[in-house]
Amino acid sequence: QSALTQPASVSGSPGQSITISCTGTSSDVGSYNLVSWYQQHPGKAPKLMIYEGSKRPSGVSNRFSGSKSGNTASLTISGLQAEDEADYYCCSYAGSSPWVFGGGTKLTVL
Amino acid sequence: QLQLQESGPGLVKPSETLSLTCTVSGGSISSSSYYWGWIRQPPGKGLEWIGSIYYSGSTYYNPSLKSRVTISVDTSKNQFSLKLSSVTAADTAVYYCAPMVQGAFDYWGQGTLVTVSS
Repeated sequence: QSALTQPASVSGSPGQSITISCTGTSSDVGSYNLVSWYQQHPGKAPKLMIYEGSKRPSGVSNRFSGSKSGNTASLTISGLQAEDEADYYCCSYAGSSPWVFGGGTKLTVL
Repeated sequence: QLQLQESGPGLVKPSETLSLTCTVSGGSISSSSYYWGWIRQPPGKGLEWIGSIYYSGSTYYNPSLKSRVTISVDTSKNQFSLKLSSVTAADTAVYYCAPMVQGAFDYWGQGTLVTVSS
């Protein structure tokens, strides 16, 4: 069970849009529409931002959106705000090894 | 809204067994809607799924930890528990519990730091 691949860091200025990629394989991201994304601020528990690839839980800003193409899922944050600065993790169902996380991406708002 | 609280020793000696409990409030652990999961995060590192359990007792474990992990559920106390045997310093982490619904972990507990040290 290998971790999903995310960029270590991304950055953007307030108001801009950024995209975080999450690359897996045909055994996980590519085969199932069960990718979720989590936001984690320092010292805090992760917070669910996207589930089933593109759905937002109640209360999550519509500035957050998710998509998938082949073995790669993506999280896009539009209208970047200072409060969006955090670590972001993807997670996918992986069949026989049920759940695998990405290594995490640190988002810096410049 | 569900609330989860992890509890257990914050310090465990090498080779011993780590034991944690997650208490669920605001809902029933016997709900057919949820699987109940444990996730950990070593200091400064990423998240790792440990395993999950259904109220019926069906369990699913991370293959890399499977030989050392046991997750159980106590419906009478609305709790589920984690045991990790033969711990080493590499098991030092913040341990979280969370329900899984629609393929995602929601309503995370605040997490509890477990340090493995003699």
